[in-house]
Amino acid sequence: DGGITQSPKYLFRKEGQNVTLSCEQNLNHDAMYWYRQDPGQGLRLIYYSQIVNDFQKGDIAEGYSVSREKKESFPLTVTSAQKNPTAFYLCASRQGAGYTFGSGTRLTVV
Amino acid sequence: QKEVEQNSGPLSVPEGAIASLNCTYSDRGSQSFFWYRQYSGKSPELIMFIYSNGDKEDGRFTAQLNKASQYVSLLIRDSQPSDSATYLCASRSNSGYALNFGKGTSLLVTP
Repeated sequence: DGGITQSPKYLFRKEGQNVTLSCEQNLNHDAMYWYRQDPGQGLRLIYYSQIVNDFQKGDIAEGYSVSREKKESFPLTVTSAQKNPTAFYLCASRQGAGYTFGSGTRLTVV
Repeated sequence: QKEVEQNSGPLSVPEGAIASLNCTYSDRGSQSFFWYRQYSGKSPELIMFIYSNGDKEDGRFTAQLNKASQYVSLLIRDSQPSDSATYLCASRSNSGYALNFGKGTSLLVTP
């Protein structure tokens, strides 16, 4: 079945650590996105990529980095510069009007 | 700033009633509008999208768009307890690449 796989489902980060969230899709979609969701809030755009080897900052890119070396993969690194990283992270891909979301990664700072 | 506004709720309706969820947007360049349902701790699921003025129906769901008033709504007929969730409204402009989300409205359908 085609879809988006995010891993891990839960992730714990110590202060000062960088962590990488995985996002893989087998839908052959060109565009991919990373969103962050805080409790009681909507989704806020972190980064997006329209094609391989190209990506753009979203509304809240500070403290995050991404890469798009393969069409299928769009990993997100949460760096130590992100001061409040505890949140639910959602990856999505798009072809035409259809956006498909992964199941999310819940990141907690310990 | 491209704002999408929703009443956070909770909106409580009895089982079998019509639930009406509303959304306003500030960017007149917005062309497409999406309604997602999100259960607690889960990722959003697309209910439907609309880009033309008027109504669009899909089963128990009807989306309504009024571009002059910058207003989008979602009607859920014959509401069921399983419809209890947060409903997210999102917009996208033709020049934009990503969805711009509201904060969501919590719906509670009581048996």
